[in-house]
Amino acid sequence: GAVVSQHPSWVICKSGTSVKIECRSLDFQATTMFWYRQFPKQSLMLMATSNEGSKATYEQGVEKDKFLINHASLTLSTLTVTSAHPEDSSFYICSSTGQREYNEQFFGPGTRLTVL
Amino acid sequence: GQNIDQPTEMTATEGAIVQINCTYQTSGFNGLFWYQQHAGEAPTFLSYNVLDGLEEKGRFSSFLSRSKGYSYLLLKELQMKDSASYLCAVMDSNYQLIWGAGTKLIIKP
Repeated sequence: GAVVSQHPSWVICKSGTSVKIECRSLDFQATTMFWYRQFPKQSLMLMATSNEGSKATYEQGVEKDKFLINHASLTLSTLTVTSAHPEDSSFYICSSTGQREYNEQFFGPGTRLTVL
Repeated sequence: GQNIDQPTEMTATEGAIVQINCTYQTSGFNGLFWYQQHAGEAPTFLSYNVLDGLEEKGRFSSFLSRSKGYSYLLLKELQMKDSASYLCAVMDSNYQLIWGAGTKLIIKP
């Protein structure tokens, strides 16, 4: 099956700093990548959708200047949380689709961000 | 608006069968997905239904009725490792995935 990696798996940072999370599709070309956020005991919340070489499409209520997404290649997308605050602490998960039978999304292992 | 409903939590016994229901109201329909998510981990793909009927995959089966806006995930011969959250997601007319809140399944010995 398709493999998506995410780095780092967890990060602790001070309030006001920026954190970059990488998402890579390892064995396929990801046409589209998705970034989700999940708070404890809640469902996935889509933050943005990105296609290689174009600007990301952000969901309503997600600040594009705070959550910078760069999809520079068909195998790499990055999410940068700028000027992080404690309320940004969450589980961030990327997923990607490629040329799959069902167009299903394959998820990275997630990044747990804690902002002190 | 778009809406996915599934029970918050269910409990079942090891070796038994459990059915997790999902009802949906979306703008358009391009398929329904079931994902499994263990605590602290990312979701993993289980099944996809786009036509009415039952899709069987080993111990797991998924059913869809488009006219009723209804699906279920059936898990047989439950094992302790099946304890997880099960997420129902519908792909709408814009090919966006609309996610349910997930059903936490607790398996007791």
